[in-house]
Amino acid sequence: TQLLEQSPQFLSIQEGENLTVYCNSSSVFSSLQWYRQEPGEGPVLLVTVVTGGEVKKLKRLTFQFGDARKDSSLHITAAQPGDTGLYLCAGGAGGTSYGKLTFGQGTILTVHP
Amino acid sequence: NAGVTQTPKFQVLKTGQSMTLQCAQDMNHEYMSWYRQDPGMGLRLIHYSVGAGITDQGEVPNGYNVSRSTTEDFPLRLLSAAPSQTSVYFCASKGTNYGYTFGSGTRLTVV
Repeated sequence: TQLLEQSPQFLSIQEGENLTVYCNSSSVFSSLQWYRQEPGEGPVLLVTVVTGGEVKKLKRLTFQFGDARKDSSLHITAAQPGDTGLYLCAGGAGGTSYGKLTFGQGTILTVHP
Repeated sequence: NAGVTQTPKFQVLKTGQSMTLQCAQDMNHEYMSWYRQDPGMGLRLIHYSVGAGITDQGEVPNGYNVSRSTTEDFPLRLLSAAPSQTSVYFCASKGTNYGYTFGSGTRLTVV
């Protein structure tokens, strides 16, 4: 069974601060996906990284996939109250299990004005 | 463009009752999955399908049944509801891209 450890579980910061969320595993994933979830809604895909060492930027969000494809990070620069939500990382399996996702526990981010 | 539609949005069951959670997608996606979400545990995979007629178990399949007779529909059946199955259930689908599209969820309470 593949496991993904996501940290921190809770993050409460002031508007304008920077933050980083981490996802770590002892398993290799074929892809690493990041989702954001609002209360009462399903997760919405933010980005997918598939190549070891890959870095993707989405406005103030920077996503990185570890060289060995076992870990990933999400960095938010100058956080805003609109960034508040649940952030989830998910590792995609390969081979005969392609399409299966393993989720981390999630990080609840609160950005105070 | 409906995406992934889940019904019902809320449901209360008594212990031992059975029910079916419906999921339909209109994007012609081959892959479909059911997850449950519990506080502090992220989303856990219940069952999974790579196409019509093909299903496989996920991490927490006990007490749940699925079938995939068409590409569009992937219902989840609770055989005999237990309080431990109180959760929020999400259906998701994906096509050739990596990312999944999720429905808005079914909040189930078993009393």
